[in-house]
Amino acid sequence: DTEVTQTPKHLVMGMTNKKSLKCEQHMGHRAMYWYKQKAKKPPELMFVYSYEKLSINESVPSRFSPECPNSSLLNLHLHALQPEDSALYLCASSQAPAGGTDTQYFGPGTRLTVL
Amino acid sequence: QKEVEQNSGPLSVPEGAIASLNCTYSDRGSQSFFWYRQYSGKSPELIMFIYSNGDKEDGRFTAQLNKASQYVSLLIRDSQPSDSATYLCAVVTGGGNKLTFGTGTQLKVEL
Repeated sequence: DTEVTQTPKHLVMGMTNKKSLKCEQHMGHRAMYWYKQKAKKPPELMFVYSYEKLSINESVPSRFSPECPNSSLLNLHLHALQPEDSALYLCASSQAPAGGTDTQYFGPGTRLTVL
Repeated sequence: QKEVEQNSGPLSVPEGAIASLNCTYSDRGSQSFFWYRQYSGKSPELIMFIYSNGDKEDGRFTAQLNKASQYVSLLIRDSQPSDSATYLCAVVTGGGNKLTFGTGTQLKVEL
């Protein structure tokens, strides 16, 4: 089973709203990721959590706030977004073996539109 | 120089032909290489990974890695219209688990 789930599938929000994206996996993976993907572009890494600790923040604006409540869950809190933040937000997870090679599996994504 | 480069295409092949997708990377220390398929509006789906020089076959797919030339490719045999998608090459760069994607190659398999 290589399933990563994301909710909601679609989200429309105004620039003053606060919303959250959720990601869940039950594969026992210890690394979880947030990516942003604009149309006709490759996914861009935003954040990486490894063993529930934030290990990579790719200089993402503070209006995006990640949270990893436990090893199975990953949230992305959104506040005061801009229209240019409209994109497909992808969650991924991987085993994070120590010193080993790692394979990331993606969830279906949340299509975000900021008005 | 981009870290991972792919020809954006579109690459058009007739049904039943072999599709050849290519990718080069700049980090000579990279050890892990992945091919993802992405249909329009959907998320990336893992097709294959390869870590060692040479060929790796899985069904109709063959991944080829040449670390000396910093080159990885994906061959799709007996291409089907359902293979029409964007194929993303991804490389673990800088150690750890940071995955860097190429811009993707759009493949069109024509009847």
